[in-house]
Amino acid sequence: DSGVTQTPKHLITATGQRVTLRCSPRSGDLSVYWYQQSLDQGLQFLIQYYNGEERAKGNILERFSAQQFPDLHSELNLSSLELGDSALYFCASSKILAGAGDTQYFGPGTRLTVL
Amino acid sequence: GQQLNQSPQSMFIQEGEDVSMNCTSSSIFNTWLWYKQDPGEGPVLLIALYKAGELTSNGRLTAQFGITRKDSFLNISASIPSDVGIYFCAGFNTGKLIFGQGTTLQVKP
Repeated sequence: DSGVTQTPKHLITATGQRVTLRCSPRSGDLSVYWYQQSLDQGLQFLIQYYNGEERAKGNILERFSAQQFPDLHSELNLSSLELGDSALYFCASSKILAGAGDTQYFGPGTRLTVL
Repeated sequence: GQQLNQSPQSMFIQEGEDVSMNCTSSSIFNTWLWYKQDPGEGPVLLIALYKAGELTSNGRLTAQFGITRKDSFLNISASIPSDVGIYFCAGFNTGKLIFGQGTTLQVKP
C-alpha cells in the first residue's frame, strides 16, 4: 500500500458526460500528479499541483482540469468525454524535498470506461 | 521532447534466471526511478537513484544510475514467478517525470 488513495476504482459513463476523479496523497506529501495510462500510450503525465498551486503541465487536454484543495487532496475533472478518454488514471504524490529528487508514489488508479 | 528508450520490450524467462533491462535517453536526468506494475494496479516504486554512478540494491533487485546520467539499468537475480509484471523506468528533470514504455516480464515456473 503506497498510502495514496484514489476513488472511484471503476467508472463507466457515456460520451459527452463529465466525471470527477479524486485523489488523496500520502500523509505529508505536498505534491500531487495526475497520469493517464492507455494501452497504446503508456504512462502520460497530465498535470502537477504543489501545495494548492499548479506547478507543471504535461499533455493535458483543454477538456480536462484539475485542482488541489487546502487539505491537499486533488480532483481531476474530465468533461465532454470521448471514447478515446477510456484509460487508467493514476494519481501520484511526493514530498519534493530539496536534493531528494522526485520520488513519486502511485495510487491504485481509476479505470474510466467511456461508452 | 525528452524520451526514454526502454529495452527489451518483453522477456520470457525460466524461473531462477537473472534478468536485465535498461533505459537510455539523449537527455540528462538527475533522478532515475524503477517501478513495477501488475495488471490493473498502480506502479509500485522499486528503487530510486539520485546520483550518477549510484548502485542500489533492494533484495534481488539492483539498479544503477549511469555515469553519463543518460541511462540506467535494472537487474533481477534468481527470478521467481511473482516477478511477473511490467517494469518501468522513469527519469526526472525540469519538473517532469518521463516514463519508458515498459518491459513486460514473464517467468516460466
